[in-house]
Amino acid sequence: DTAVSQTPKYLVTQMGNDKSIKCEQNLGHDTMYWYKQDSKKFLKIMFSYNNKELIINETVPNRFSPKSPDKAHLNLHINSLELGDSAVYFCASSPETGGEQYFGPGTRLTVT
Amino acid sequence: LAKTTQPISMDSYEGQEVNITCSHNNIATNDYITWYQQFPSQGPRFIIQGYKTKVTNEVASLFIPADRKSSTLSLPRVSLSDTAVYYCLVGPISGGYNKLIFGAGTRLAVHP
Repeated sequence: DTAVSQTPKYLVTQMGNDKSIKCEQNLGHDTMYWYKQDSKKFLKIMFSYNNKELIINETVPNRFSPKSPDKAHLNLHINSLELGDSAVYFCASSPETGGEQYFGPGTRLTVT
Repeated sequence: LAKTTQPISMDSYEGQEVNITCSHNNIATNDYITWYQQFPSQGPRFIIQGYKTKVTNEVASLFIPADRKSSTLSLPRVSLSDTAVYYCLVGPISGGYNKLIFGAGTRLAVHP
């Protein structure tokens, strides 16, 4: 059973489109995260939710909007996609804020 | 937030012990030290976490001196499959506004 799953694994789209990436964890964790890893391989936290409540919101354009319908899901919606949004996006979860994080397989987003 | 510094890359050979040192001079009293491993095209994977002295699990050991301004991840008898990027993170485990910051990591290459 996959602990943290993301869909889709690959996403190719054009500039200006709106897209969503879904994340689900079956670990019963309270906290979920979204990270962005760019071409230089730097992994940066974007958002963190604890029990469906936003607790970390880094300096991310407001075109990015996380949505947590329940504790097990944290989706990432991106409006008006730009070339610079091309990256690998990782979802993660942890039993508590700052605790051991379990990462999903990543979603490679390519904006053309 | 404590900033971490680690070597950009290291090389080793199968069967050797590898020690990766991380500097975190401004570590706070409630900060823990956590190490993650990342293989290409995968999300980071938790290796080990500690607060002080020595922590050992089935994968690695973590040595933390009394002043906690540095830490050393020790991988015994590495194999080719240990080739990956290793990240050192410093931050609190729970409570309050918290975020973990991934640095550039150390790219370990294990050779036959």
